[in-house]
Amino acid sequence: IVLTQSPGTMSLSPGDRATLSCRASQIVRSNDLAWYQQKPGQAPRLLIYDVSIGATGIPDRFSGSGSGTDFTLTISRLEPEDFGVYYCQQYSSSPVTFGGGTKLEIK
Amino acid sequence: QVQLQESDPGLVKPSETLSLTCTLSGASMIRSSQYWVWLRQPPGKGLEWIASIEKGGFTHYNSSLQSRVTISIDNFRNQFSLNLRSVTATDTAVYYCARGPYIMGHYWYFDLWGRGTLITVSS
Repeated sequence: IVLTQSPGTMSLSPGDRATLSCRASQIVRSNDLAWYQQKPGQAPRLLIYDVSIGATGIPDRFSGSGSGTDFTLTISRLEPEDFGVYYCQQYSSSPVTFGGGTKLEIK
Repeated sequence: QVQLQESDPGLVKPSETLSLTCTLSGASMIRSSQYWVWLRQPPGKGLEWIASIEKGGFTHYNSSLQSRVTISIDNFRNQFSLNLRSVTATDTAVYYCARGPYIMGHYWYFDLWGRGTLITVSS
C-alpha cells in the first residue's frame, strides 16, 4: 500500500491549527493506521495508532481521524515544540509502509 | 524504564555483511507478547520496514530485502539481531530497532524505538 502525504511542507504559527493528510492507494482495513513525529537526529515517536487512539503521554491536542483511504492528523493548537516531520504508517498489509512525510515548520 | 539500544558498527565495506544487534533493557523479551523489528531511514529520506521477529522465532521480511536479510532473536540475552548481506551504497542509512505489539490478525505499529545507528557503506 502506497501512502501519499500532503502537504509536503507547512509553515504555521503557535496557536494555529494544523491539518495533515495521508491518502492510501488501497483501503486500509481495520483502522490499521498510525502517525509519528520525528525531530532532527531523533527516532520517530508514536503519536496515534488505530487511526484515532493517542499513544501514552501524547498531549490531547493531537488527534487522528479517517477511514478507508483518507486519513487526517490534526494538531489543534500548535506549540513551538511541535515542529518536525510527521509520518503516517499503515499496518493493514505486509509490507507495512510509511508515507513520505509532512514537514511542519513553526513560524 | 524500557529502552532499546542498537550496536554501532559504523562503517561497512561494499559487498560485506552488515551485522546489528539490539538490546532490550528494563523488560524481558521472553515474558512479552511483542514483535521485535528493524527499520531503516536513508539520509534525508523516509522510513522503510526491514524485518520482524517474535520470541518464538517466527519471522516476517520485507520482500524487497528478503533475499539478503536474516533476523534472529536471543530471548535469554534480551537481544535480537539483523544480518544484511552484500551491502551497497544504497544500504547507507540510519538503522532503528523497535517494538511492535502482537495483535492477532494485524501487523505492527511501533511504540518503542532505539535511538538509531548510522551505517555507512563505503570502501
